[in-house]
Amino acid sequence: DTGVSQDPRHKITKRGQNVTFRCDPISEHNRLYWYRQTLGQGPEFLTYFQNEAQLEKSRLLSDRFSAERPKGSFSTLEIQRTEQGDSAMYLCASSLADRGHFEQYFGPGTRLTVT
Amino acid sequence: AQSVAQPEDQVNVAEGNPLTVKCTYSVSGNPYLFWYVQYPNRGLQFLLKYITGDNLVKGSYGFEAEFNKSQTSFHLKKPSALVSDSALYFCAVRPPNQGGKLIFGQGTELSVKP
Repeated sequence: DTGVSQDPRHKITKRGQNVTFRCDPISEHNRLYWYRQTLGQGPEFLTYFQNEAQLEKSRLLSDRFSAERPKGSFSTLEIQRTEQGDSAMYLCASSLADRGHFEQYFGPGTRLTVT
Repeated sequence: AQSVAQPEDQVNVAEGNPLTVKCTYSVSGNPYLFWYVQYPNRGLQFLLKYITGDNLVKGSYGFEAEFNKSQTSFHLKKPSALVSDSALYFCAVRPPNQGGKLIFGQGTELSVKP
């Protein structure tokens, strides 16, 4: 399967702990996006990369959140000092920034539960 | 503010009947429009997109969508629903010149009964 993969699929953590999620995009895709989805809502944009450059961050991304894509391939999303409000599904997507290719392909998500 | 609205939380259809899932948007300029489907415990799957050209676009699994610029709508349709179409459907908009991020509606639960 050459789709977008995410790890872990589920994470339970205690409030105040740090967590890190990984996303492996489709190999030839140069854009990578992070979204957050809470129950009953559509995904909300968090940030995106073109190759290794982080080009935009949403206001939803507080200072406790940081994302990297060091070599323009996989990406990590870290949440420091987790809060209960961080409980959500974190989705990663990738796309090919090229003429005509605008759809994003999503991974299965990482479900975070903060207790 | 830019937004996408899916006015129906749930749509119920009998198998074999046509289905419509509604979507309207509020975005300046000429956005790109998408539909995604989400099955339980699975990621979002791309169904179809409108970029430019013919207002009726066809996608995966027999779905199609009609773009209406004057009504700022992009309704998802299928002539004959299947029980296996039961899932959560999301409309999304890609505003122009904003790096490709998608703005999603809140989703519509489609239930197709035999």
